[in-house]
Amino acid sequence: LPVLTQPPSASALLGASIKLTCTLSSEHSTYTIEWYQQRPGRSPQYIMKVKSDGSHSKGDGIPDRFMGSSSGADRYLTFSNLQSDDEAEYHCGESHTIDGQVAWVFGGGTKLTVL
Amino acid sequence: QVQLVQSGAEVKKPGSSVKVSCKASGGTFSSYAISWVRQAPGQGLEWMGGIIPILGIANYAQKFQGRVTITADKSTSTAYMELSSLRSEDTAVYYCARDRGAAAFGYWGQGTLVTVSS
Repeated sequence: LPVLTQPPSASALLGASIKLTCTLSSEHSTYTIEWYQQRPGRSPQYIMKVKSDGSHSKGDGIPDRFMGSSSGADRYLTFSNLQSDDEAEYHCGESHTIDGQVAWVFGGGTKLTVL
Repeated sequence: QVQLVQSGAEVKKPGSSVKVSCKASGGTFSSYAISWVRQAPGQGLEWMGGIIPILGIANYAQKFQGRVTITADKSTSTAYMELSSLRSEDTAVYYCARDRGAAAFGYWGQGTLVTVSS
């Protein structure tokens, strides 16, 4: 089964930039992942899909200051001009096929704190 | 605008079962995949399985095989997730989610808290 690894926490100053990382297990290093934002007490919200070539597809209403990129097995979500509203848990997820059936796995999530 | 509205919180005894519903409105129900994702307290997201109502065939995460049943009623645009043989580790918020464009989980329900306690 694929494994997605995320650091449990990250922090940055208001107005700064920060890059969150989601690392795929080596045998799945070419896979596409999806990023989800979850504010405290709320349901997750789709942010974007990030492919191995770094191309990404954002959800409706996602600001331009949210960018996706890739390097090897790492998939990134970069924030510029960090806002207090960005403080949330960020989850990455990836789909794969087992015996012809689609299945999903998520990383453990990264809690982003805006200082 | 698509909305997914889930049933209310449940408190269950260990060994019992729980069935959570997810009623969709504002879109075509049958053609889109509905998934169930849970989140234990302080933990990450965990995919349990999904169904495409028009096909009527569900697939499940290996971890939950034999213990979870996902169904969909096209006549009422409602999906269901039933989890049996509950244990304390199943205490979590259970979400339904539907695909939307590029997003596998583009629409989410509000979540249903299931507490398993003796």
